[in-house]
Amino acid sequence: DAKTTQPPSMDCAEGRAANLPCNHSTISGNEYVYWYRQIHSQGPQYIIHGLKNNETNEMASLIITEDRKSSTLILPHATLRDTAVYYCIVRAPSSGGSNYKLTFGKGTLLTVNP
Amino acid sequence: ETGVTQTPRHLVMGMTNKKSLKCEQHLGHNAMYWYKQSAKKPLELMFVYNFKEQTENNSVPSRFSPECPNSSHLFLHLHTLQPEDSALYLCASSQLTSGGLGEQFFGPGTRLTVL
Repeated sequence: DAKTTQPPSMDCAEGRAANLPCNHSTISGNEYVYWYRQIHSQGPQYIIHGLKNNETNEMASLIITEDRKSSTLILPHATLRDTAVYYCIVRAPSSGGSNYKLTFGKGTLLTVNP
Repeated sequence: ETGVTQTPRHLVMGMTNKKSLKCEQHLGHNAMYWYKQSAKKPLELMFVYNFKEQTENNSVPSRFSPECPNSSHLFLHLHTLQPEDSALYLCASSQLTSGGLGEQFFGPGTRLTVL
């Protein structure tokens, strides 16, 4: 699976949009971009994933560049409870029953300030 | 109960003790995972079970022994641990299908301290 690069930390004011970047310049054509987050001492939580098109759900939006070498996770109105480590992960779909593996990096610590 | 549950949430044990961590998923998934998260380190995949069969062991020391009696339950048996094994142990589950994406759902974790 392709490796990703994320800034180690970011700050955001409460109520403002948080834009978290991720570089994945070696991504393959069939690999998806996933985002998870982990609030302190809790289990990771799935946020969103995408292949080529931009995606939006109730938690966030995912913007993937046309060349797919980078993406941005957008939390439109950050709250204090969004303070967490955000992980960008790239992986391919499972094939022939092969297991689905997530390889976590160090992620970005997003701190939302009052 | 919904989602993925883990018990106990906190565990303190001596190096000569034997203990077990339990994970249960209520999502009807067919795959379960154990991860370890040491302080200031990324999550490390330890074991993967697919339809109750262990399909991956990421060079985990034998003092960690997993057991998957059915697709809803996963255990991690611990014996003669070392202080460096102190960490947050996370369980996850997913639904695996060929060509599927198998989003993983995580439990809250067990905070283990080895004295």
